[in-house]
Amino acid sequence: EDQVTQSPEALRLQEGESSSLNCSYTVSGLRGLFWYRQDPGKGPEFLFTLYSAGEEKEKERLKATLTKKESFLHITAPKPEDSATYLCAVNEDDKIIFGKGTRLHILP
Amino acid sequence: ETGVTQTPRHLVMGMTNKKSLKCEQHLGHNAMYWYKQSAKKPLELMFVYNFKEQTENNSVPSRFSPECPNSSHLFLHLHTLQPEDSALYLCASSRGSGTTGELFFGEGSRLTVL
Repeated sequence: EDQVTQSPEALRLQEGESSSLNCSYTVSGLRGLFWYRQDPGKGPEFLFTLYSAGEEKEKERLKATLTKKESFLHITAPKPEDSATYLCAVNEDDKIIFGKGTRLHILP
Repeated sequence: ETGVTQTPRHLVMGMTNKKSLKCEQHLGHNAMYWYKQSAKKPLELMFVYNFKEQTENNSVPSRFSPECPNSSHLFLHLHTLQPEDSALYLCASSRGSGTTGELFFGEGSRLTVL
């Protein structure tokens, strides 16, 4: 069983159409949840760290939230340049474990 | 030069070849990592080095051999690989092992095993 599950696998949105990506986790003793962005042919780029339920972080059109079992990455009025794969990861016993990611495509 | 640099960016090798991947970080970090990224799979942690000492070997086959001569350089030596080892190999660094989860990745080395 995957410890980090992301949904949907892929998402196509029109420019300006807001939506949310989900990351659910089953690790015990969560020591941080992280969001990354990965562009084709590049390594992942760090976006956010969340440590406790109720915490929120924002960056431009992105907002990450955390509950006890899942995290959401909300994308408000996205632009084509937001197209990428978004990866969720958790820290369990100092090991960073990644989900498979959500491929996001924003149509102009 | 800044960030994490990986060479070569692309590598094609036969199953009997020996090759090495190189990673260098210019961020003053103390921890370095190798991850494997295959299609349809999550990033798989392979090795972790903290202050040049290996602190994690995630059940990686012995045909992959890491080397960390100092906190800025990390190598992955490859020998007698299998076609299923074809993947993107990503190097990353952080201030400390697992402390913040903020990993800085290189652009990866795309490996093809024939």
